[in-house]
Amino acid sequence: RKEVEQDPGPFNVPEGATVAFNCTYSNSASQSFFWYRQDCRKEPKLLMSVYSSGNEDGRFTAQLNRASQYISLLIRDSKLSDSATYLCVVNIRDNFNKFYFGSGTKLNVKP
Amino acid sequence: DTAVSQTPKYLVTQMGNDKSIKCEQNLGHDTMYWYKQDSKKFLKIMFSYNNKELIINETVPNRFSPKSPDKAHLNLHINSLELGDSAVYFCASSQDSRGSTDTQYFGPGTRLTVL
Repeated sequence: RKEVEQDPGPFNVPEGATVAFNCTYSNSASQSFFWYRQDCRKEPKLLMSVYSSGNEDGRFTAQLNRASQYISLLIRDSKLSDSATYLCVVNIRDNFNKFYFGSGTKLNVKP
Repeated sequence: DTAVSQTPKYLVTQMGNDKSIKCEQNLGHDTMYWYKQDSKKFLKIMFSYNNKELIINETVPNRFSPKSPDKAHLNLHINSLELGDSAVYFCASSQDSRGSTDTQYFGPGTRLTVL
């Protein structure tokens, strides 16, 4: 069983749409959570950390539900430049951080 | 100016060869990582070093040998390359291997193709 599961998509949405991605994780000992963005043939880059209280950064809102072991990312007013793969990441820390990546959800924003 | 750099960017080689990938970070971070991203885009941790010390060693064939000459460098040597080694290999670094909100910064990746 994978540590982190995501719907691979693709999600094809028009500009201006609101789109939501979900992610589930299997290990209840997971301690911190992130969304990364990966453009085609590029490296992953941190989009935002996810906090228990939920957090917002401009058009992006992340939510965490520890009881259900579920993380979400909401993108409002989608732009063409939002087209990318969004990776859900969880950190399970024993003595050191160990990061587990989901396989990503692909988003295509169309004009 | 690049924070995390890797060389080479592309590597095409024959089965059975030995090759190395180099990684350097100029962020002053203590921890460095090697990840493998396969054709299904699944990014999986291989190794992690903290201040030149190996701290994470996932189930990776012993044909893969990382080496950290100092905390700014983490190299990956692969012996007897196999077809299944074809993937994109990403190096990453982070400030503190114990910080709960540790952010990783990735290099541009090395696309390895084994023929």
